[in-house]
Amino acid sequence: DAKTTQPTSMDCAEGRAANLPCNHSTISGNEYVYWYRQIHSQGPQYIIHGLKNNETNEMASLIITEDRKSSTLILPHATLRDTAVYYCIVRVALGAGSSNTGKLIFGQGTTLQVKP
Amino acid sequence: SAVISQKPSRDICQRGTSLTIQCQVDSQVTMMFWYRQQPGQSLTLIATANQGSEATYESGFVIDKFPISRPNLTFSTLTVSNMSPEDSSIYLCSVKQGAWETQYFGPGTRLLVL
Repeated sequence: DAKTTQPTSMDCAEGRAANLPCNHSTISGNEYVYWYRQIHSQGPQYIIHGLKNNETNEMASLIITEDRKSSTLILPHATLRDTAVYYCIVRVALGAGSSNTGKLIFGQGTTLQVKP
Repeated sequence: SAVISQKPSRDICQRGTSLTIQCQVDSQVTMMFWYRQQPGQSLTLIATANQGSEATYESGFVIDKFPISRPNLTFSTLTVSNMSPEDSSIYLCSVKQGAWETQYFGPGTRLLVL
């Protein structure tokens, strides 16, 4: 699986949009971009994933560049509860029953601190 | 998403002993994963456990140290054997679910070895 590069830490003011960048310049055509976050003392939480089109759900938006070499996770209105470590991971997304595990390999992530 | 529970949620153990961590999922899943998160570090995959077959271990992890059972499609155990203080970590269970095989994580087991 391709490696990702994220800033070590970022700050964001409460109520403002948090934009978390991720570089994945060696991504393959069949690899998706996944975002997880880990709030202190909890297990990682799935946020969103995408292939090449921008994606949005109730938690966040994912913007992937046309060349797919980078992406940005957007939390539109950050709250104090969004303070967490955010992980960008690329992984092959497989159909159910595939023998290839498509393992999630975690990097160091970005520590996002939302401040009042 | 799958609801995953782990037992115990935390434990303090003496070196040289073993601890078995349980992972229960509320639905049947083919693949289950065990991760370790050492203090201040990111998650590291220990092994992948499929029902009915031997677990597949990542580099640096061996079955004698981390034996895994997968007796059915909703349950797995990870044993941390002959523990040392270096085994103090959070151990996390994870499963794949859904058409996109998204991975979901349990709450983790915090282990402190004295």
